[in-house]
Amino acid sequence: DQQVKQNSPSLSVQEGRISILNCDYTNSMFDYFLWYKKYPAEGPTFLISISSIKDKNEDGRFTVFLNKSAKHLSLHIVPSQPGDSAVYFCAASENDYKLSFGAGTTVTVRA
Amino acid sequence: NAGVMQNPRHLVRRRGQEARLRCSPMKGHSHVYWYRQLPEEGLKFMVYLQKENIIDESGMPKERFSAEFPKEGPSILRIQQVVRGDSAAYFCASSPLYGRAYNEQFFGPGTRLTVL
Repeated sequence: DQQVKQNSPSLSVQEGRISILNCDYTNSMFDYFLWYKKYPAEGPTFLISISSIKDKNEDGRFTVFLNKSAKHLSLHIVPSQPGDSAVYFCAASENDYKLSFGAGTTVTVRA
Repeated sequence: NAGVMQNPRHLVRRRGQEARLRCSPMKGHSHVYWYRQLPEEGLKFMVYLQKENIIDESGMPKERFSAEFPKEGPSILRIQQVVRGDSAAYFCASSPLYGRAYNEQFFGPGTRLTVL
């Protein structure tokens, strides 16, 4: 019962271009959404989040968009840099602590 | 300030043995969460503990799995009589607060359990 889905297992993008990562969810009770970034042999690190009362949140090169009616969110990275190469996880929550994660999207930024 | 520490980083067990995974939260953190990542899947919540208390174990398998966070020492996730399906990466996270402080859930590097 995957409540959070990332349907693209991988994404390759040229340095300087935009990376767009997508995430869909099924649980209408989710009201808080997060993106985590993970390097090999490390744990996930928090990147950016958005509450369900908003439809956009921006932090530097990272912007998260939320479309509640479509139960869809996306992460935009502009411009993409080589250090952005990592696995990105979408996560969602309906309470104060329990996170549900997608399977991840591996981003490769080409020089 | 050291981050969340997990050991061992890699653990190999034969079917039927016990696996014991340790997690030391960040200094000052009293809330610990365990997640499991099966191959090709996302992290799945297992259990939330505070010192000497299990707050939510709704994600724990009903048998063979247990977790504790004693007053002194690390949090322990124990898997008895391991089976091949227990092979996964187990991540621990900690936070200083209870509540909507998600970005304060700091993750450790994980323990990769392989059951032969």
